[in-house]
Amino acid sequence: AQTVTQSQPEMSVQEAETVTLSCTYDTSESDYYLFWYKQPPSRQMILVIRQEAYKQQNATENRFSVNFQKAAKSFSLKISDSQLGDAAMYFCAYRPGQGGSEKLVFGKGTKLTVNP
Amino acid sequence: DTGVSQNPRHKITKRGQNVTFRCDPISEHNRLYWYRQTLGQGPEFLTYFQNEAQLEKSRLLSDRFSAERPKGSFSTLEIQRTEQGDSAMYLCASSFQGGNNEQFFGPGTRLTVL
Repeated sequence: AQTVTQSQPEMSVQEAETVTLSCTYDTSESDYYLFWYKQPPSRQMILVIRQEAYKQQNATENRFSVNFQKAAKSFSLKISDSQLGDAAMYFCAYRPGQGGSEKLVFGKGTKLTVNP
Repeated sequence: DTGVSQNPRHKITKRGQNVTFRCDPISEHNRLYWYRQTLGQGPEFLTYFQNEAQLEKSRLLSDRFSAERPKGSFSTLEIQRTEQGDSAMYLCASSFQGGNNEQFFGPGTRLTVL
């Protein structure tokens, strides 16, 4: 069974600084997707960034980028120029590729605090 | 608002009672998912529909849980004979088959079983 591990229950960063959230996963599949979701307090979960395993290039979305290391099964999220609105729970998630299960497998999350 | 909606947002019930939650997906999305999230944990998959067909169920979905999507649009999740361990946030998500398969989440229904 696939598992996702987020080893940092909490992280903090100063406004305008950079922070990296860690995620490792375990799978025997070669085709899969990885995601980072953001869940602000009392608000719904939104997708931050996604990565297809077959793509070597790391995904980037504005201030958010990933470091995808397929051999190491590592998928970290870097947030640059942190803003107060980035404060939230961040969840790393895995989904098998085409033809596999449609379910997302989530890690336990990392609570990010942004200090002004 | 064209996002995923869930009702009610909060539900408090006594142990042993039945509860039903509703999820309305984004209108053009044919896939619908239910997840459960307990405090301090990430969401856990419960079940998934493609149109009206329930294609996948987790072992977490005991026989007290039943989900339906009768017309391939909204879905309901019913929990019978609730237990205190059922207290959680129940999240619904939807996606469009053939797109990039991004799952869009609703705000959730928070269930408290007394």
